[in-house]
Amino acid sequence: GDSVTQMEGPVTLSEEAFLTINCTYTATGYPSLFWYVQYPGEGLQLLLKATKADDKGSNKGFEATYRKETTSFHLEKGSVQVSDSAVYFCALSDANGGYQKVTFGTGTKLQVIP
Amino acid sequence: DVKVTQSSRYLVKRTGEKVFLECVQDMDHENMFWYRQDPGLGLRLIYFSYDVKMKEKGDIPEGYSVSREKKERFSLILESASTNQTSMYLCASSLDGASGGQGQYFGPGTRLTVT
Repeated sequence: GDSVTQMEGPVTLSEEAFLTINCTYTATGYPSLFWYVQYPGEGLQLLLKATKADDKGSNKGFEATYRKETTSFHLEKGSVQVSDSAVYFCALSDANGGYQKVTFGTGTKLQVIP
Repeated sequence: DVKVTQSSRYLVKRTGEKVFLECVQDMDHENMFWYRQDPGLGLRLIYFSYDVKMKEKGDIPEGYSVSREKKERFSLILESASTNQTSMYLCASSLDGASGGQGQYFGPGTRLTVT
């Protein structure tokens, strides 16, 4: 079956540091890939997405590139802020038995300190 | 913007009680979902619905049922709450497939405690 593996957290960075959160996946089909963010006390919000190989999703300074050859979708940001502190979920959507199923990673908590 | 609302942010119930969690979306989305979120386990799909009165089991449907009488509303029912159902419950909706290329929109979540 499909699966998503994320690096375990928490990840603690100083403000303005470079961020990478690794995500790899296995899928039977040709999935779409997503990053969601969950701020404290809130639901998940879609951060960015990519639907085919070599696509780059980007939003709010975050980027991720769909790498089919390495089955990866790593999240990056050049300079993090305290307000980026949240839990980040990698996810894939794949056709499975006639409907699109979404599989989420376990989440990576990011803490940014001033 | 799509808005997904859930009836309660926090709920405390006793073991054996029947519990209703309500979810409403305002963007005419076909598909709606219920997940539970637990530390270290991420999100797990309980049930989803792709049309009014239609429902499909997700990965962990045991102990739960759902109802979708109107397109905008999707209810999760715990027939007899148990302590192992203490969790954060998240409702989501999407326009296409179970997200296709568009992604899902989530409500703020209901933190349920069963004592």
